[in-house]
Amino acid sequence: DAGVTQSPTHLIKTRGQQVTLRCSPISGHKSVSWYQQVLGQGPQFIFQYYEKEERGRGNFPDRFSARQFPNYSSELNVNALLLGDSALYLCASSLDPRDTYGYTFGSGTRLTVV
Amino acid sequence: AQRVTQPEKLLSVFKGAPVELKCNYSYSGSPELFWYVQYSRQRLQLLLRHISRESIKGFTADLNKGETSFHLKKPFAQEEDSAMYYCALSPYNTDKLIFGTGTRLQVFP
Repeated sequence: DAGVTQSPTHLIKTRGQQVTLRCSPISGHKSVSWYQQVLGQGPQFIFQYYEKEERGRGNFPDRFSARQFPNYSSELNVNALLLGDSALYLCASSLDPRDTYGYTFGSGTRLTVV
Repeated sequence: AQRVTQPEKLLSVFKGAPVELKCNYSYSGSPELFWYVQYSRQRLQLLLRHISRESIKGFTADLNKGETSFHLKKPFAQEEDSAMYYCALSPYNTDKLIFGTGTRLQVFP
């Protein structure tokens, strides 16, 4: 099993652009969560999706959106990028949304906004 | 407000010394608490959770509801324990983790 895979690993974007980050969960995991980790801080919850539906949303502006596909993979979209969006974006998968014990994190996508 | 506080950004000890990484939380209820670890160039991974009362790699953590703390302890630190440690809380009936800012543990030979 390849674990949770995220792509791309690194990305550089310009202010105002849009970005899409991708996550493939562990086989059999149906829940995907997204976290933002700004340098020097702990991860901060953005979204959780289960069975293609949004189950939770953190305190992020509407510029952030996500979706989950029938194969349980997920995309995180960020529009109108700001310098402050520069961060490591982590994806975590679990069997179901309450299985915080079973969270498995990916290696993340490092986004730099210039 | 739901919050996790790790007051120390950096903790440096010598091999064989005891280690205590502090974690305090703010939550009006019965939380589920975790410690996550991130070794150099590796992904974030679960170290232990309070509900299972387990010892992993010699580390233990006890939930103290009176002091709202969940400190991580190890009696004898090893060089391979050097890593970033995050305390996290999962509020009841929610689907998320609230992380602290992390403590970097450095164990010198």
